[in-house]
Parts: sequence; structure tokens; C-alpha cells
Amino acid sequence: NAGVMQNPRHLVRRRGQEARLRCSPMKGHSHVYWYRQLPEEGLKFMVYLQKENIIDESGMPKERFSAEFPKEGPSILRIQQVVRGDSAAYFCASSLLAGMNEQFFGPGTRLTVL
Amino acid sequence: QQPVQSPQAVILREGEDAVINCSSSKALYSVHWYRQKHGEAPVFLMILLKGGEQKGHEKISASFNEKKQQSSLYLTASQLSYSGTYFCGTERGQTGANNLFFGTGTRLTVIP
Repeated sequence: NAGVMQNPRHLVRRRGQEARLRCSPMKGHSHVYWYRQLPEEGLKFMVYLQKENIIDESGMPKERFSAEFPKEGPSILRIQQVVRGDSAAYFCASSLLAGMNEQFFGPGTRLTVL
Repeated sequence: QQPVQSPQAVILREGEDAVINCSSSKALYSVHWYRQKHGEAPVFLMILLKGGEQKGHEKISASFNEKKQQSSLYLTASQLSYSGTYFCGTERGQTGANNLFFGTGTRLTVIP
């Protein structure tokens, strides 16, 4: 029973390039959450998605960031025209149900922008 | 909306006890506790629902006081493996708002 999978685990991009982070939730989970963690800081909520729908994107920067969770395939967090400040660990979590439910975290993608 | 954790850091000797607190200025619907080791993903410890419940898992337990909008994590007879950063995550409890707001974290170091 595979857990939450994220790839790549490490991603290096130059300023101005695009970064695509993938997340495959646990089998049977249809709720996906993306969090960002800066070094030595806590996790900050970015976006909550259910299959094909964005439920809450209140934590997403207004520009350059987008997320999707298609009917088939993994959830994608896309960062366009990356800047140095985007360097962080991006974690994806999934849950079976909405609300009052354990969120299982993936191993994270560590993005470094040169 | 970010909950506040205290203390920020604590150092324990093996076998000692610790309490980590998490408080919020907003009404709490549930509280989730996670432990994260350096460079790794957060690992779920337990979830507490409103109603003042307590939960325990071996030597780690927690309480949730809905009225005071706070939760406490109790670690007894600490082991070296308990070292890590502990985060509480809170839910707002509104429809569609299932994301967690995480506290600033408490760094726990257990030494021999």
C-alpha cells in the first residue's frame, strides 16, 4: 500500500524557468493539499484540491503559481518564472475524507532556484 | 490564523517528560499533531476532535480543550527517537476549509 508519492525529490531551476511538482495521493484518496516549508520554518498551506476541482487556494500566491488535480493522473503544482524566493520544500498531503481526517504527507520536493 | 506553539525549543535527557502547547485565537475544530525529523516529511501522531477529548499512543498523549482553544502534547519517559520538530495543525471547521494551519513548531532534542 504505497503512501503519498512526490517527484522529483529534488529540483534545481534557474531564475525564470518553470517548475513542475507532481503528487500522487494514497490509493483511494481524493483530497490533496499542498504546503510550502521554508528552511527552519513551519508548513504554510497553499492549496486544497479535490478531483478536478480547486476547493481552497487562499494560500497560493496570486501570480506564477497554479495547481491542478485532473481526473486521471497526479496533482501538479506549477511555478512559472521561478525566483530565488521560491526555493523551499513543497509537501503534498492527501486524505481519504474531508475534514477531521488524517493527512498523510509525501516526502516532499526540494526546489532550489539558482 | 497560525496557532502559537510553546516552547519553541526544549532539550531533554532520556527518560524525562515534556509538554508542548498549541493555542489559537480562532475557534478550533480539530487539532492534528505531527513530528518532523530534519529533511523528512511530517509524520502523523494523532488527531483530536472538539469535545475535550484526550488521546494516547504509548508514551505520547494529547489533550484538546475546545473552550480554551488550545491543545497540549505530552511526551513521557522520552526516548532518543522522539527528537524532532513537533507541529500542531488546526482546522477552521468551515465547509470546504479542510486545510491545516500549522504552528511555528517546537524543536525537541533528546540527549542520552
